[in-house]
Amino acid sequence: GQQLNQSPQSMFIQEGEDVSMNCTSSSIFNTWLWYKQEPGEGPVLLIALYKAGELTSNGRLTAQFGITRKDSFLNISASIPSDVGIYFCAGQRQAGTALIFGKGTTLSVSS
Amino acid sequence: DAMVIQNPRYQVTQFGKPVTLSCSQTLNHNVMYWYQQKSSQAPKLLFHYYDKDFNNEADTPDNFQSRRPNTSFCFLDIRSPGLGDAAMYLCATSRDRSLIEQFFGPGTRLTVL
Repeated sequence: GQQLNQSPQSMFIQEGEDVSMNCTSSSIFNTWLWYKQEPGEGPVLLIALYKAGELTSNGRLTAQFGITRKDSFLNISASIPSDVGIYFCAGQRQAGTALIFGKGTTLSVSS
Repeated sequence: DAMVIQNPRYQVTQFGKPVTLSCSQTLNHNVMYWYQQKSSQAPKLLFHYYDKDFNNEADTPDNFQSRRPNTSFCFLDIRSPGLGDAAMYLCATSRDRSLIEQFFGPGTRLTVL
């Protein structure tokens, strides 16, 4: 089935550091979403991207829809302990089709 | 605040004993989804309702059923839970199928003894 390759699988960083993670596919997507999930909770939508090349920010988070439409990136600047969680990318290939999720990037932040 | 609510947050059932999980939403969204999420894995879509139209994923076992009696509520029925069905079950909504921003509830953690 269709897969999204999300990397890195996990990250261990110091408070204040910047973080980058990405999601790639062999197929074209028309929508990319980024979610954060904390332990025992449901995923929370962070950023939605709808156009190739689009760059969108949400506070310290910035996400980009790759020009090739086969990838997306999420950056977190000046990380803080509450950034800890699992970050999932999700993509939709065509309108009306199901979201496809990446396997997640687990972020740990030490203070 | 508009939201997606799941009850209960934790459910324990016995092997083979039917169980029902519930989801309600105050967003007035047309689409409601049920996902299964096992530890350290991505959410896996089981099925979704677009209004009253039920859409099952091809690999969802028959053991899983769903009901949507009205716009606000959706239920997940597991007819005969097995040990492998222990997981977090997530409900999500979206305004319609073409607008894919999905909003998730907090989930129900199911334990099967």
